[in-house]
Amino acid sequence: AQTVTQSQPEMSVQEAETVTLSCTYDTSESDYYLFWYKQPPSRQMILVIRQEAYKQQNATENRFSVNFQKAAKSFSLKISDSQLGDAAMYFCAYRRWRQGGSEKLVFGKGTKLTVNP
Amino acid sequence: NAGVTQTPKFQVLKTGQSMTLQCAQDMNHEYMSWYRQDPGMGLRLIHYSVGAGITDQGEVPNGYNVSRSTTEDFPLRLLSAAPSQTSVYFCASSRGVPSYNEQFFGPGTRLTVL
Repeated sequence: AQTVTQSQPEMSVQEAETVTLSCTYDTSESDYYLFWYKQPPSRQMILVIRQEAYKQQNATENRFSVNFQKAAKSFSLKISDSQLGDAAMYFCAYRRWRQGGSEKLVFGKGTKLTVNP
Repeated sequence: NAGVTQTPKFQVLKTGQSMTLQCAQDMNHEYMSWYRQDPGMGLRLIHYSVGAGITDQGEVPNGYNVSRSTTEDFPLRLLSAAPSQTSVYFCASSRGVPSYNEQFFGPGTRLTVL
């Protein structure tokens, strides 16, 4: 079974600084997808960024980027120019590719990010 | 579009009671799922469905039933509530193909079982 591990239960960063959240996963599959979701205090789950395993190029979305190391099964999230609104729980998630349709999403336990003014 | 809606937002049950958490989506998504979120445990998959009439178990299915009679609705039934089922429950949906499609989450239901 696939597992996702986030080794940092909590992280903090100064406003305007850069922070990196770690995620590793275990799978025997070669085709899969990786996601980072953000959950602010409102509890709403929000997709931050996603990566297709067959793409070597790291995904970027404005101030958010990933460092995808397929051989090491590592998928870290970098947040640049941190803002107070970035404070939230961040979840790393894995989804296996399945012929003809979607597979279930497996989540890590999350990292709580605090942004200090 | 309302997206993914869940009712109720909050619920308190007594041990042994049964209830149904409602989930509906208006995006014509094939894939729907239920998660529970507990402190320190992240989101764990309870049940999921890849289309109307098709459901399957996730990581923690015991004590829960689901059915998918329409594309829009995916209710979660607690058969006999236990304190261990105190949690926040999220419903989510996504397009079935391709697999990198974003899952859209409902606002969650906070359930307390006394």
